Amino acid sequence: DAKTTQPPSMDCAEGRAANLPCNHSTISGNEYVYWYRQIHSQGPQYIIHGLKNNETNEMASLIITEDRKSSTLILPHATLRDTAVYYCIVRIVNDYKLSFGAGTTVTVRA
Amino acid sequence: EPEVTQTPSHQVTQMGQEVILRCVPISNHLYFYWYRQILGQKVEFLVSFYNNEISEKSEIFDDQFSVERPDGSNFTLKIRSTKLEDSAMYFCASSRMDSGNTIYFGEGSWLTVV
Repeated sequence: DAKTTQPPSMDCAEGRAANLPCNHSTISGNEYVYWYRQIHSQGPQYIIHGLKNNETNEMASLIITEDRKSSTLILPHATLRDTAVYYCIVRIVNDYKLSFGAGTTVTVRA
Repeated sequence: EPEVTQTPSHQVTQMGQEVILRCVPISNHLYFYWYRQILGQKVEFLVSFYNNEISEKSEIFDDQFSVERPDGSNFTLKIRSTKLEDSAMYFCASSRMDSGNTIYFGEGSWLTVV
């Protein structure tokens, strides 16, 4: 029942911006886009979420296309500690669970 | 920054034994969750809990699992009679009831059933 499609892996150079794509072509008007990451086998870490506007916080920026069918998570200056599995999740605002897919394994290289 | 804390970080138990995993959610959060991740697999939802009762559970959360909020701060997951296939990382999580309802996870309890 995957609602999102992400590339399985990507590499990024340390200090450069990492742009992580996510397709969610069947997203509904009441569904948010959430991004989490998981470093090794630690607990998933919340990064950012948005409904239709672009969002930015201290960790990342989220760019959602106007038709909301895809989004991009931007890590502005990737560090080695950003190496992790990144999950793009679509979620109804009142749905009290998250459905994780396989995510994108991001490797930041020195 | 407030965080979800879990204990123990790692537990080894004999098959058939009861296990209780403990969690202290973020203090002003009202929704509590358990997820699990079998090694090499996806993070899976087990159960959500609100107002002292289960609000939703997955097919995985069968009769051998139970959850409880025994006091004002702890939230527990009990596995009554552990099986080998219960070996996994168990994550507790919590959220408020505001817009977006962001869910925050603990660092996990690694359960090994032998």
